[in-house]
Amino acid sequence: AQKVTQAQTEISVVEKEDVTLDCVYETRDTTYYLFWYKQPPSGELVFLIRRNSFDEQNEISGRYSWNFQKSTSSFNFTITASQVVDSAVYFCALSEVNTGGFKTIFGAGTRLFVKA
Amino acid sequence: AAGVIQSPRHLIKEKRETATLKCYPIPRHDTVYWYQQGPGQDPQFLISFYEKMQSDKGSIPDRFSAQQFSDYHSELNMSSLELGDSALYFCASSLLTSGRRPQETQYFGPGTRLLVL
Repeated sequence: AQKVTQAQTEISVVEKEDVTLDCVYETRDTTYYLFWYKQPPSGELVFLIRRNSFDEQNEISGRYSWNFQKSTSSFNFTITASQVVDSAVYFCALSEVNTGGFKTIFGAGTRLFVKA
Repeated sequence: AAGVIQSPRHLIKEKRETATLKCYPIPRHDTVYWYQQGPGQDPQFLISFYEKMQSDKGSIPDRFSAQQFSDYHSELNMSSLELGDSALYFCASSLLTSGRRPQETQYFGPGTRLLVL
């Protein structure tokens, strides 16, 4: 069965600190996609990144970076030099290509507070 | 770039009433998904449509039904509303580029916030 675990319920940091959001997933499918979405206080879900199961290259996009490790079934997200505008709930999500149908399974989310 | 459009953005209903939520996918996207997000919870998959046919079904109550129309927009119909139906309802869309398997990212609309009193 597919499952996404975000063990950190809430994280609070001071502006300019680096912060890492953890994500661990479970799947029996050999082909799958992992995602991170951001949900700011306004409520919309903003797509941040998609990674497929065959591509373990880490990715950096500005202050964001992602570390995908298949060996530990983890897809962690790091924000460097955090800013107040980064305050949001961040969801890690999984979509199984062969066995998961059309659904995307979300983790419980990590609420990030960035204080000025 | 055009995004997913949902209407209405906010809706207040009383118990046992009905509600219809609308979703207009990103142009040329052929797949629509509906998710329900309760307060403080993660989005839960309800149902999806590909080329106007139901493609997958999740934890959607029997009181809810949905369809995708010829112009690819979708409507989620909710009847006999209960207090527990109060939630944020997201629609997402994607374009299937590889057969009938979902290969592409789902892009979410802004959501419809439903409050049942």
